[in-house]
Amino acid sequence: DGGITQSPKYLFRKEGQNVTLSCEQNLNHDAMYWYRQDPGQGLRLIYYSQIVNDFQKGDIAEGYSVSREKKESFPLTVTSAQKNPTAFYLCASLLTGANTEAFFGQGTRLTVV
Amino acid sequence: KQEVTQIPAALSVPEGENLVLNCSFTDSAIYNLQWFRQDPGKGLTSLLLIQSSQREQTSGRLNASLDKSSGRSTLYIAASQPGDSATYLCAVTGGFKTIFGAGTRLFVKA
Repeated sequence: DGGITQSPKYLFRKEGQNVTLSCEQNLNHDAMYWYRQDPGQGLRLIYYSQIVNDFQKGDIAEGYSVSREKKESFPLTVTSAQKNPTAFYLCASLLTGANTEAFFGQGTRLTVV
Repeated sequence: KQEVTQIPAALSVPEGENLVLNCSFTDSAIYNLQWFRQDPGKGLTSLLLIQSSQREQTSGRLNASLDKSSGRSTLYIAASQPGDSATYLCAVTGGFKTIFGAGTRLFVKA
């Protein structure tokens, strides 16, 4: 079945460590997105990519990095520069252009220990 | 810059009541608007998608409307049930970005 897969579901990070969250889609979508959600809050855009080898910063990109080497994959690295990384992270994809629907993975919950 | 606002932030209603959730956006140049449901600690479930050329969409007890000119959408839930308790998020897509509101937390009392 087509869809978006995020892994791992739960991730624990020590202070000062970088960690990478995986997002893979087999929907043949051009655009992929990373969002962060804090308790009781909506989703805020971290980074997005419209095509392979290209990506743009969203509203809260500081302390994060991404790559888009393949259409199917859009990994997010949470660096040690991100001072408050504990949150729920959601990945999404959609076809570029009009009349399209965003599809979401099931999320990764990152906790700093 | 697109901004999406949802009102109310939280809502508690008795079972069986009809209710309306509101979503407003500042930039009317959108491709579509989606309503999502999110259960605690879970990902998002897409409920309804309204394309920019459409005025409303219906699915079961849910009806969503879109008025692009005024930058507003409403989600109408008929005959609410305890199982409807969740956070409801609206999101607008335009310029290759999908921007979310903060959500409305709904609690339906049995």
